[in-house]
Amino acid sequence: EEQLVQSGAEVKKPGESLRISCKGSGYSFVTYWITWVRQMPGKGLEWMGRINPSDSSTNYDPSFQGHVTISLDRSISTAYLQWSSLKASDTAIYYCARHFRNYDILTRQFYFYMDVWGEGTTVTVSS
Amino acid sequence: IQLTQSPSSLSASVGDRVTITCRASQGINNFLAWYQQKPGKAPELLISAASTLQSGVPSRFSGSGSGTDFTLTIDSLQPEDFATYYCQLLNSYPSFTFGPGTKVDIK
Repeated sequence: EEQLVQSGAEVKKPGESLRISCKGSGYSFVTYWITWVRQMPGKGLEWMGRINPSDSSTNYDPSFQGHVTISLDRSISTAYLQWSSLKASDTAIYYCARHFRNYDILTRQFYFYMDVWGEGTTVTVSS
Repeated sequence: IQLTQSPSSLSASVGDRVTITCRASQGINNFLAWYQQKPGKAPELLISAASTLQSGVPSRFSGSGSGTDFTLTIDSLQPEDFATYYCQLLNSYPSFTFGPGTKVDIK
């Protein structure tokens, strides 16, 4: 079974650092990008960024660039999302997802959709 | 590129036909997906490329549209369909933006 398993809930204080994880199994981990999505309490989904496990290249949404870092350890099929200094506004559920790439013959363009999701990691930042 | 969804919420009964609209601020061909999220759960992919139903998704779900206007239709709403539905851009680097969501609840 193709799945992504995320690390458990975290409670942190403002200014602390944090790294959460997302482990893939049941498929070739290096074949598909891993993407991260934020959901603040009671709010919608926000795409944060992604990493290509084959070469560790990353893309970030401008809103999140510089605030978080996405990385991975290919040897254990695990991607990470990390903060160096948390803020209360980072309180949210964070989902990882497999970013499946497909190709549209008519427009000759690639497109990506999130076909396998982790269960989410709840991060609470409070003094 | 921005996405808007309408309505933001709706109340419906089991057996109803429900239609949710997603509009892009500029043409995106058919590069749009629909996701379903139930309370306390991760989102699940329903439809990719505007109209391609994912494996395992019931056939009462369908998607249509191209360019700027897209529709998700649920024929004969079932109790397990009460959820929030999001559309998403699929090739708009640097951001794969989501729509704001449409909550479907019980009338």
